[in-house]
Amino acid sequence: ELKVEQNPLFLSMQEGKNYTIYCNYSTTSDRLYWYRQDPGKSLESLFVLLSNGAVKQEGRLMASLDTKARLSTLHITAAVHDLSATYFCAVANQAGTALIFGKGTTLSVSS
Amino acid sequence: NAGVTQTPKFRVLKTGQSMTLLCAQDMNHEYMYWYRQDPGMGLRLIHYSVGEGTTAKGEVPDGYNVSRLKKQNFLLGLESAAPSQTSVYFCASSPPGQGFLSSYEQYFGPGTRLTVT
Repeated sequence: ELKVEQNPLFLSMQEGKNYTIYCNYSTTSDRLYWYRQDPGKSLESLFVLLSNGAVKQEGRLMASLDTKARLSTLHITAAVHDLSATYFCAVANQAGTALIFGKGTTLSVSS
Repeated sequence: NAGVTQTPKFRVLKTGQSMTLLCAQDMNHEYMYWYRQDPGMGLRLIHYSVGEGTTAKGEVPDGYNVSRLKKQNFLLGLESAAPSQTSVYFCASSPPGQGFLSSYEQYFGPGTRLTVT
């Protein structure tokens, strides 16, 4: 059974500092997705990672995928208040019948 | 394009009542999904559809039924609502690609907040 674990679940960040969120998954998969959710809102797609070693960057966020270690990281550079949200990683199961989501990491940026 | 829309946005039901949630997409996507989101649980897949007239069970299908009579619509039904079905329900769609779930991201609707008392 595919399980997806994110850590930390909560992260209090200071403006201007760097942080990393980790997403571990338990069985082989070649598709990993990162989403952002603002309070009371829907999910917004951030990154789609499809192969080992894939790295994608958008603004202050950079995501990478290591399929051998079954690990994805979301790196935040010089945190700003606008990044405060909940971030989910999701992994496609082998049968391709579901996206399995992590529980989410809630980021809070303070000055 | 409106993208993915959901109706209604909010609903309060009494235990045992029934209702249908409507999801519509105008992107001509083949695949559609229904998820529920509960605090601290992430999103869990209820049912999905890979095309008009087809449906399949996801992780947590019990207590729900679905239909996909038209490509652009995906309906989620609760025949006899229970308090455990209090949740936020999200619909999503995605285009086909190299296989089911494809390489393309899923596009999510705004959600329906359902309370069962």
